[in-house]
Amino acid sequence: DAGVIQSPRHEVTEMGQEVTLRCKPISGHNSLFWYRQTMMRGLELLIYFNNNVPIDDSGMPEDRFSAKMPNASFSTLKIQPSEPRDSAVYFCASSRQSNTEAFFGQGTRLTVV
Amino acid sequence: QKEVEQNSGPLSVPEGAIASLNCTYSDRGSQSFFWYRQYSGKSPELIMSIYSNGDKEDGRFTAQLNKASQYVSLLIRDSQPSDSATYLCAVNPGNTPLVFGKGTRLSVIA
Repeated sequence: DAGVIQSPRHEVTEMGQEVTLRCKPISGHNSLFWYRQTMMRGLELLIYFNNNVPIDDSGMPEDRFSAKMPNASFSTLKIQPSEPRDSAVYFCASSRQSNTEAFFGQGTRLTVV
Repeated sequence: QKEVEQNSGPLSVPEGAIASLNCTYSDRGSQSFFWYRQYSGKSPELIMSIYSNGDKEDGRFTAQLNKASQYVSLLIRDSQPSDSATYLCAVNPGNTPLVFGKGTRLSVIA
């Protein structure tokens, strides 16, 4: 099994630009999670999906953030427009069910300058 | 507010010693508990899970759970420099995603 695959691994962009992060979950997993990790706040859950349906997006910090899961093997997290305070590592994770152990992708390190 | 608390550390132990990492959680109804290891610049990696009171051993790692005290711990025996990492405690409070602590940074000194 290839595990959770994220792209890109690193992204540097200018303030105001649109950023799209991509994730392919583990095949057969029904839940997908987007997390953001910073030194100050630790690992924060932004949004999660069950069977491709968004269940809870209360962790999304602002309307500038949006996420989609058009099918069971692909999800995107979009930030538009990006701001320097969005700089963080963004992780995608998947699990068989929403309340079981989650497996993480390698993360995308986002830097907004 | 469901919370998971960990001492941020750093916890420094000499090579060969036992490292003890602790975690408390607020939701008394929590049913499953996990420990993740995260090396600097890498993603969290699941290393232990525990579901019932008592101890669970896996190699050099032992997870301990006390639901009455709402307390989970991870013991690492014969600590090695390669164990130096941040250890994240995660708790399942019910039919919702895991709640993570902020992690304890462990440093094993050779």
